[in-house]
Amino acid sequence: AQSVTQLGSHVSVSEGALVLLRCNYSSSVPPYLFWYVQYPNQGLQLLLKYTSAATLVKGINGFEAEFKKSETSFHLTKPSAHMSDAAEYFCAVSDRSGSARQLTFGSGTQLTVLP
Amino acid sequence: ETGVTQTPRHLVMGMTNKKSLKCEQHLGHNAMYWYKQSAKKPLELMFVYNFKEQTENNSVPSRFSPECPNSSHLFLHLHTLQPEDSALYLCASSQDGTGNTIYFGEGSWLTVV
Repeated sequence: AQSVTQLGSHVSVSEGALVLLRCNYSSSVPPYLFWYVQYPNQGLQLLLKYTSAATLVKGINGFEAEFKKSETSFHLTKPSAHMSDAAEYFCAVSDRSGSARQLTFGSGTQLTVLP
Repeated sequence: ETGVTQTPRHLVMGMTNKKSLKCEQHLGHNAMYWYKQSAKKPLELMFVYNFKEQTENNSVPSRFSPECPNSSHLFLHLHTLQPEDSALYLCASSQDGTGNTIYFGEGSWLTVV
């Protein structure tokens, strides 16, 4: 069984400030981990993914995430927030069992960027 | 352009209507999915098709009926829906069903009145 917990359903930051969105996972096997972003009235877009290569993963739009096995975390960061980053962010975990059903999403974190 | 196209983007239907949502992927993938996204709930996987065969039905009511005529197209047929079925329905695809990255369409907003 696997699960994802995103701490904080709403996060607000000022433009130019650090963005930190938290994700903790639970998985009985080494996981694949993903961050997706959903802009208003749109579908989910892949930001980045971890698949057991480098633990620090760089994604699009200046985002990156670090896989920390000891903390079972995969937090998403961006050094300087832009207004265009306002969106909902979803963390997801997939096991490697070969089953398509094993992609579990967190409940999402709504990011607000204040001018 | 995400490579996964959904139509219609918005649909309003009565509880006695029959309608269909359509999804087409241009990525050469072999697995396709329907997800339901409701307010304040995590994404719910509804159906999975892998090489045109349904491999997952996540306890979805029979008023939702999927159809996958080929690896590029996926439909969701809707009939006698309830107001609580109002949600964003997301189609997605991946290379195959083995945990590869899933790519999403922009979704179809469904309102049942």
